[in-house]
Amino acid sequence: DAGVIQSPRHEVTEMGQEVTLRCKPISGHNSLFWYRQTMMRGLELLIYFNNNVPIDDSGMPEDRFSAKMPNASFSTLKIQPSEPRDSAVYFCASRTRTRDTQYFGPGTRLTVL
Amino acid sequence: QQQVKQSPQSLIVQKGGISIINCAYENTAFDYFPWYQQFPGKGPALLIAIRPDVSEKKEGRFTISFNKSAKQFSLHIMDSQPGDSATYFCAARGNAGNMLTFGGGTRLMVKP
Repeated sequence: DAGVIQSPRHEVTEMGQEVTLRCKPISGHNSLFWYRQTMMRGLELLIYFNNNVPIDDSGMPEDRFSAKMPNASFSTLKIQPSEPRDSAVYFCASRTRTRDTQYFGPGTRLTVL
Repeated sequence: QQQVKQSPQSLIVQKGGISIINCAYENTAFDYFPWYQQFPGKGPALLIAIRPDVSEKKEGRFTISFNKSAKQFSLHIMDSQPGDSATYFCAARGNAGNMLTFGGGTRLMVKP
């Protein structure tokens, strides 16, 4: 299995631009999670989906952030407009219904100038 | 209620020594306690996990000790190796949900 796939791996953009991060979960996994990692705040859960349905988005910092999961194989996290404080590493993770382990992708390092 | 506190923030150990990382939680509904290991430039990966019905779990050089009454759990790395140098995160999850709450992380450096 290829594991969780994220793209792009690195993104540099200017303040005010729209940013879209992409995730392909492991095939057969029915839960998908988006996390943000920073030095100051550590690893924070932003939102998670069960069976493509958003279950808890209480970690989404503000309305500039949105996430979608149109099918079981694909999810996006969008930031519009982006701000320098959004600079972080964004991880996607997935798991199956029957096992506890969350499998993380390699992350997208976002830099907003 | 959802917080997981991890210490120390950083740790330096000599090769062959024992690395100990501690975590404490408040929510008694937590029923699954994993430890994740993260190397630079990589995503976290599950290292070892425990449920509160046992007080200890060992996998190779890695051991979790769990104290339910104190609401604390710790990771012990025996015979620490330079290849163990990474950031370690404890986490906890409630029995009603899917979400992991992570500790702040411990950056471990094992000196040769």
